[in-house]
Formats: sequence, structure tokens, C-alpha cells
Amino acid sequence: KNQVEQSPQSLIILEGKNCTLQCNYTVSPFSNLRWYKQDTGRGPVSLTIMTFSENTKSNGRYTATLDADTKQSSLHITASQLSDSASYICVVRDQTGANNLFFGTGTRLTVIP
Amino acid sequence: GAVVSQHPSRVICKSGTSVKIECRSLDFQATTMFWYRQFPKQSLMLMATSNEGSKATYEQGVEKDKFLINHASLTLSTLTVTSAHPEDSSFYICSARDHRHVGSGSSSYNEQFFGPGTRLTVL
Repeated sequence: KNQVEQSPQSLIILEGKNCTLQCNYTVSPFSNLRWYKQDTGRGPVSLTIMTFSENTKSNGRYTATLDADTKQSSLHITASQLSDSASYICVVRDQTGANNLFFGTGTRLTVIP
Repeated sequence: GAVVSQHPSRVICKSGTSVKIECRSLDFQATTMFWYRQFPKQSLMLMATSNEGSKATYEQGVEKDKFLINHASLTLSTLTVTSAHPEDSSFYICSARDHRHVGSGSSSYNEQFFGPGTRLTVL
């Protein structure tokens, strides 16, 4: 069964600190993995996309890693800001003709001053 | 990046009425659009896949007669919640797939872009 699991479910950190969010998946065949940021009451916005051959990709203070062998990904946020408070969703696309998307349940990050 | 808009962003209606939500791809053509529903503290759940010019494909458990989808053009899909009830209150998000061909130079080939969502509250 194709699944995407994220941890932790929620996280509270102090402004300026770093944090790492985890994503484990069983989706097969694998096409790509995206991390999205979803602010409350808004649609998801893509942060990074990684294909099978990519191990690390950065977008400003966001750095995503992918281990396709263990089917794990992480999103590292450095020097957190209050505006980073949001839900972070890991989404995996399969490589079937339907190009299905499988969504994780997200990690709710709260950055406090 | 590609832009997808939704209208309205927020709607409150009485039980029993119908509500129409529009989803537009603003700078690309989308032969396929998707409709999702999201309850509080939960992830997005796919409701249906909408293909331009053909009938939508609904996920198991989603009533096609209650959630009417029309994808009349390459840039517009609509979701109509008919005879809305309080349990239909949710956050509805659409996404559009960019079907530009390989070799066009576009980095958005075949990716989905999400709209900002519509908050529906049924009283």
C-alpha cells in the first residue's frame, strides 16, 4: 500500500533555532518527492522537488534530503523565523500512468519568539 | 511559477443551498484539474480528477451528484456543492496540472500547482 508518513506531528521551536522534519514513504514506483508549506487557510506552496537521483536540494533556509534506498526524506529549516509557522506536507508522486500524488498528514510547525 | 486562483476564497451559506467554486489556471493550460478537501489538522484528500471536455473521475466515497464538477475550458474548472449541509463545511483546494511538452524549456512540465483554497461554511 502506498503511504507517506511524517514526523513529528507537531513541533514548537524558538525563533532562530533549526529544526528537521521527517518523511517516510512506501510509494512505488517512485517519481519525485515534494515538500510543501501550507499556511493556515491557504493552499500548499512548493518548497522543493527531488527526483530519484537527487540527494540534497536547497531553497534559501530550507534544505531537503532524499534517501531513495531507505525511502526517507527530511526537510531542514535553519534560523527559523516566525513566518515559518505553518504545516509542512511531504508529497510523493508515483511513476504510473496516472501520476498519482500521495500526501503525508503534515507536520505543524510553530515558531515562537 | 505557474499560478492557480480560486474564487471565492471564503463562502458562508445556508443549509440546502448550492455553492459554486471556481478554479482557474492563470498562465498555463491545464487539461487536468484536481479537487481536494481538507478538514482541520488533516492532510488533503483527493475528491475528484477533472479532465477538460470529459466527465470527472470521482474517488471512492465521493458523491458525484452532490459535488458537480465542470471542466469546460483549459483554464477553468468549477466545483458545485449541491444542497450543502453543515458536514460539507471544509477547506476546498483545487490544483491544475501543467501539461506542457518536454523540450519546451519549462520547469513546470507535468507538475501540479495548487490554488489558495476556498473555505466553505454551511450554517
